[in-house]
Amino acid sequence: RKEVEQDPGPFNVPEGATVAFNCTYSNSASQSFFWYRQDCRKEPKLLMSVYSSGNEDGRFTAQLNRASQYISLLIRDSKLSDSATYLCVVNSGGADGLTFGKGTHLIIQP
Amino acid sequence: DTGVSQDPRHKITKRGQNVTFRCDPISEHNRLYWYRQTLGQGPEFLTYFQNEAQLEKSRLLSDRFSAERPKGSFSTLEIQRTEQGDSAMYLCASSATGDPFYEQYFGPGTRLTVT
Repeated sequence: RKEVEQDPGPFNVPEGATVAFNCTYSNSASQSFFWYRQDCRKEPKLLMSVYSSGNEDGRFTAQLNRASQYISLLIRDSKLSDSATYLCVVNSGGADGLTFGKGTHLIIQP
Repeated sequence: DTGVSQDPRHKITKRGQNVTFRCDPISEHNRLYWYRQTLGQGPEFLTYFQNEAQLEKSRLLSDRFSAERPKGSFSTLEIQRTEQGDSAMYLCASSATGDPFYEQYFGPGTRLTVT
C-alpha cells in the first residue's frame, strides 16, 4: 500500500465552483500534514499546513481526520489561477523528509 | 530574493559523466533536504542535513550519490557515473529550527537530462 494516496484526476471544474480533494495516509504515527501546490515544471509551493482542528485560509479549507487517516482540501469560488497539481504531504515524525502523494491535477475551466 | 536557490537550473550530460548541483537555503534555516521528482510522481526524499550533519539518507540514494553541507550553509549533491534513470528534477528544500510543523520551502530545482 502506498504511504500517501490521492486521486490523480484530472478534475475539470467550472470557474466559481467548489472542489474538494481527499488523500489518505498509511502511517498512523504521522505528525504533520500539508497541502502543496505545484504548477507545471515548477517547484512545489506550500499552500497550507493542516492542523488537527482544521484550518482555513481565504478560499481554502483543510481538514484532518486522524481516526480515518485522511486529509481534505476544499477550494471555494475557484479561479482560473487555481489550475495546478495539488500534492498531499505527510511528515511521519521529526524533521525528516516529507512523503508526497502523486498529486491531484485540477483544471479550472472558464 | 531570499528564497531557496539552486544552480544550475538545467543540466544535460552524457551517461557516465559526473554532475554536481548546488543549493543555497533560506539564510536562517538550518535544515536542508534533497528530493528527486520524475514525471507524474510526487517528490521523493533523498537526504537531510541539520547544519553540517547529514542525519538521514533514503534507500534511493545509491552509492553513486553523495551530498555535503560543509559549513552548514549551502549544500552540494553529486551524482557519479550518471545513468539515464537519473534523469529527473532535483529539488532542494529548507526549514527552520523551532517550526513545529517543519514547513519546508522548495527551490526551483535542477532539471537533469542524461543522454
